[in-house]
Amino acid sequence: GESVGLHLPTLSVQEGDNSIINCAYSNSASDYFIWYKQESGKGPQFIIDIRSNMDKRQGQRVTVLLNKTVKHLSLQIAATQPGDSAVYFCAERGYEKLTFGTGTRLTIIP
Amino acid sequence: DGGITQSPKYLFRKEGQNVTLSCEQNLNHDAMYWYRQDPGQGLRLIYYSQIVNDFQKGDIAEGYSVSREKKESFPLTVTSAQKNPTAFYLCASSLQTGSYEQYFGPGTRLTVT
Repeated sequence: GESVGLHLPTLSVQEGDNSIINCAYSNSASDYFIWYKQESGKGPQFIIDIRSNMDKRQGQRVTVLLNKTVKHLSLQIAATQPGDSAVYFCAERGYEKLTFGTGTRLTIIP
Repeated sequence: DGGITQSPKYLFRKEGQNVTLSCEQNLNHDAMYWYRQDPGQGLRLIYYSQIVNDFQKGDIAEGYSVSREKKESFPLTVTSAQKNPTAFYLCASSLQTGSYEQYFGPGTRLTVT
């Protein structure tokens, strides 16, 4: 079944299941949000983004949901694969810069 | 890694020595950034530059210095004044500072003993 992370630093999911990674942001004036994936020893890679005037955006196997009422962002990964194992960061755009969350480590169980 | 190179990947220094980390991009981006990442933590902004010959302090600039003499290059110097320099350092660039997406380099892991 699905595993839901409630702002936990780690999340373990069975291969093939769906993953949901959550993020709380602080600035209600932020107009843009990004999810990054960081594999061990590498720089973060862009996954998907969403503007504040949207509630949902879908990519390939990934969906981002934005709830501005509670300042909450989530990343859903469908049918997780071993290559999805990484740390996932959300980031919110402020004046001239991005502010990153602490990240969630996603581990895929074979 | 999106046209951004950082060198070296691993760097070792003795305490009290200054060390310079290299960051080069061929994306023709105006804006460049330096972040520090500690184990189990997110990225913290050290310095950023919107354009050549201009840069601003980020959230944790103390003990660091930068220069931006060329559009392609944004080296970071970790000085002996930085109390806890051991960390993973990431360079990034974007079309402009207001641009949405930042592209990251592969990072340099600095160990100071």
